[in-house]
Order: sequence, then structure tokens, then C-alpha cells
Amino acid sequence: DIVMTQSPDSLAVSLGERATINCKSSQSVLYSSNNKNSLAWYQQKPGQPPKLLIYWASNRKSGVPDRFSGSGSGTDFTLTISSLQAEDVALYYCQQYYTAPWTFGQGTKVEIK
Amino acid sequence: QVQLQQSGPGLVKPSQTLSLTCAISGDSVSSDSATWNWIRQSPSRGLEWLGRTYYRSKWYHDYAVSVKSRVTINPDTSKNQFSLQLNSVTPEDTAVYYCTRKTGPFDDWGQGALVTVSS
Repeated sequence: DIVMTQSPDSLAVSLGERATINCKSSQSVLYSSNNKNSLAWYQQKPGQPPKLLIYWASNRKSGVPDRFSGSGSGTDFTLTISSLQAEDVALYYCQQYYTAPWTFGQGTKVEIK
Repeated sequence: QVQLQQSGPGLVKPSQTLSLTCAISGDSVSSDSATWNWIRQSPSRGLEWLGRTYYRSKWYHDYAVSVKSRVTINPDTSKNQFSLQLNSVTPEDTAVYYCTRKTGPFDDWGQGALVTVSS
């Protein structure tokens, strides 16, 4: 199984400041056939299911604010919130869809400082 | 817009069978581009994929090794839904269960159902 490891487990950022979450996979999730990374990011608020934010490592889902961006390739990925808003307080997960079983990171809790 | 509506009991006794259903609107369980999955979430296991069903000229099923001997995921084309059955449950199976639609990432999620295994 591909193990997904996120860092940090939690971070506190001031409103309007940048938040950065890292995700490392135990093996590459780069599809050679399309040169895309099978890596997604989700946001989860209390009592709600995870919500897809980013797919193919850097593509924002329609309707997701452009302050959310994803980057990285191979085994190392980053989710950046460029200017943290109050509504961004949540848990964030990375997930690989390169090969089954599909696996998630342990989650990163983002709070306001 | 795809919507997934989950239903099923929230309390199951140990050794019994957990059964959940996910009704689909906005897509077909027989879609040739989506798979239909169950995922659970607990403090001890995090987000754990349990298995999927999908149609590509015939029906396929894949299950996580951790539950493979106890789990069944079935489509119901007449009702456009799919189901999860998990046998011989223990308190370790207590979790929030989600049904999801997957075309690459997990695009759409049901509302979630807390299932508690307790006598």
C-alpha cells in the first residue's frame, strides 16, 4: 500500500497569512501515461464529509477559491492557502489515487492564530 | 450535480451485520466512467477505503484487504443505488461511513453515517 504522510499535524496561522501543508507518498504517484500526479486534497469541516479541493496535484475543482493551490510531483506535494480566511479552519487531507487501495494522509488541522 | 444519500441503522450489535445503502441522483450506478466506493473514518484508523463496485461491460468489485473476508458491496440498478454489508462486526468497526463517487479522486460524498457497534 502507498503510505501518505502529512506534515505538520496541525498549524495555527494568522488571518490573511499563508498556510502550507506538506504531503509525502511512500512511492511516486506520477502516471507516466499522462504525466500527471494522482494526488488530491480535501477539506473537512466538523460534521461534514471531506470536500474535494484539488486533483491531479494542482487542478482546483470548480468553485474552489483561488487562494487554494496545489503543487509538487512524484512523492512530495504541497497545499497552500495563500491568505487564510476564517472559513478555512478545517482538517485537510491528501489522498493518492495512483493505485488501489486508495490511501489518505492522517490529516492536518488548520486553525487561526 | 451528483448527490449521494445514505441510509441505514446507526447501531449494530457485535457479531451482527452492518448494512448501509447509498442512493444516487445525477449519475448512474452503471456509469462506465465512475466507481462507487465506501470509505469509513474513525479516530484510530483515519480515512479508510473499504471497497468499490463498478460497471465496465460487466460488474467488478474490489475490497480492502483489512475487511475483504467480511465485506460485500453490491449495486442495485433498479433503484440506482449501491450497498455495503460488513459481517461479524466488532467495536473496532465503529466509525462514520461514507459512500463516494470516484472518477479519479473522490468527487462526491454522501452525508456520512455514524455506525456504533455496541451491545
